[in-house]
Amino acid sequence: EPEVTQTPSHQVTQMGQEVILRCVPISNHLYFYWYRQILGQKVEFLVSFYNNEISEKSEIFDDQFSVERPDGSNFTLKIRSTKLEDSAMYFCASEEGLAWFFGPGTRLTVL
Amino acid sequence: DQQVKQNSPSLSVQEGRISILNCDYTNSMFDYFLWYKKYPAEGPTFLISISSIKDKNEDGRFTVFLNKSAKHLSLHIVPSQPGDSAVYFCAATNRVGNKLVFGAGTILRVKS
Repeated sequence: EPEVTQTPSHQVTQMGQEVILRCVPISNHLYFYWYRQILGQKVEFLVSFYNNEISEKSEIFDDQFSVERPDGSNFTLKIRSTKLEDSAMYFCASEEGLAWFFGPGTRLTVL
Repeated sequence: DQQVKQNSPSLSVQEGRISILNCDYTNSMFDYFLWYKKYPAEGPTFLISISSIKDKNEDGRFTVFLNKSAKHLSLHIVPSQPGDSAVYFCAATNRVGNKLVFGAGTILRVKS
C-alpha cells in the first residue's frame, strides 16, 4: 500500500539554526500539506502546495518557513531560524480525491 | 477560532461495548468530514469519512453519523476492542485540495 514517508524521524537543533524536514508524498498525488502538532495540542495546518506553488498558508507559516518540491518526489519544509516554540511533531500529508494520507511525522526539538 | 470542536478530552469504555465520539463544527461551508486515529509518535491514520450529502456511512465496526442541521457528527465503534485505544481526531474540509481542519482530539481507552 502506498504511504507517505518522512525523514528524519527526530531532529534536534539549536535555537536560531535552520532545519529542513523532508517528505516523500504518494507518487500520483497532486496536493501536499504540512501540519504540526505541539505536544498536547491539536493538529494545525501550516501550508498546502499544488502545482509547484503554495495554495494556502496559515498564520503560523510566516517568513521563517518555506516549502519546496525540488524534484518529482520530495517535498520539503524549511524553517530558517528555529525558535523554541517551533518544537512540535511535523506531519506531511498528500491528498488525491478526498483521501488525505499522513506521514509518520518528524519530531523537532529546538533547544 | 475553533471551527471543529471535540468537547470530550477522553472517553473510557469497556471492551465489547459501544464507543461514541462526538464532534461539532461551526463552519457551514464544510462539506466533507473525516475521522482519524492516532497513536503516540505516529501520524494520523484515516478511519472513515462522510460527505455532507449523506447522514450515515458505515465501514465494519465503524459508523459515522452526520447531522447537518445541528452541525454535529459522531463516530460509533462497536464492539470496542482494546486495540482501538488511541486519540481520535475529527476533521473537516470544504473541497478537494483544501486543508483539513482538525478538532482537538478525544483519547479513547478501551478496557479489557
